[in-house]
Amino acid sequence: GAVVSQHPSRVICKSGTSVKIECRSLDFQATTMFWYRQFPKQSLMLMATSNEGSKATYEQGVEKDKFLINHASLTLSTLTVTSAHPEDSSFYICSARSGGYQETQYFGPGTRLLVL
Amino acid sequence: DAKTTQPNSMESNEEEPVHLPCNHSTISGTDYIHWYRQLPSQGPEYVIHGLTSNVNNRMASLAIAEDRKSSTLILHRATLRDAAVYYCIPPWFGNQFYFGTGTSLTVIP
Repeated sequence: GAVVSQHPSRVICKSGTSVKIECRSLDFQATTMFWYRQFPKQSLMLMATSNEGSKATYEQGVEKDKFLINHASLTLSTLTVTSAHPEDSSFYICSARSGGYQETQYFGPGTRLLVL
Repeated sequence: DAKTTQPNSMESNEEEPVHLPCNHSTISGTDYIHWYRQLPSQGPEYVIHGLTSNVNNRMASLAIAEDRKSSTLILHRATLRDAAVYYCIPPWFGNQFYFGTGTSLTVIP
């Protein structure tokens, strides 16, 4: 149980285009989903927290107009990188939590984004 | 955000126990301590989490200090598949996870 999927697993796009990444909780309902970014040889950095049906809360320094997050259902959250640039190339990882604070997070396998 | 201190790296011989320490002195009284591990180019994998008393599951054991300011993840018999970066995470106000640098575990055959 507690499986989280991401699609696509890797994507290459041209600079200036937008890319959408999907995160799905396959066997549980995720009241809260999180998006992270990880650069090579670095740790995960939290980008935003989203609750189903609410606007996402972004971490300091993360541009909300550039990284659009939609959490429209209890099993799906999407991250859209708008007007992508080479510096947005990174490993994007989502996680999902089913309940309250005593519950843990389950992570997706990640999406490798390369912007040319 | 909650601060953690972990050794940058550790080594273990295969089939021997491994004790991975973590200091989390700023953890609040009601926050669970979570442990994950990550292989290169993969998302973090849940290992175990606990609040006060020691916890066991099929992957590992978690020993939590009485004052909750530190914990130790115990892998009872390390295998080559256990080589990964291990993170301990006390949530921020029970919600957000802020990852530290973790401990890179090398398992020697």
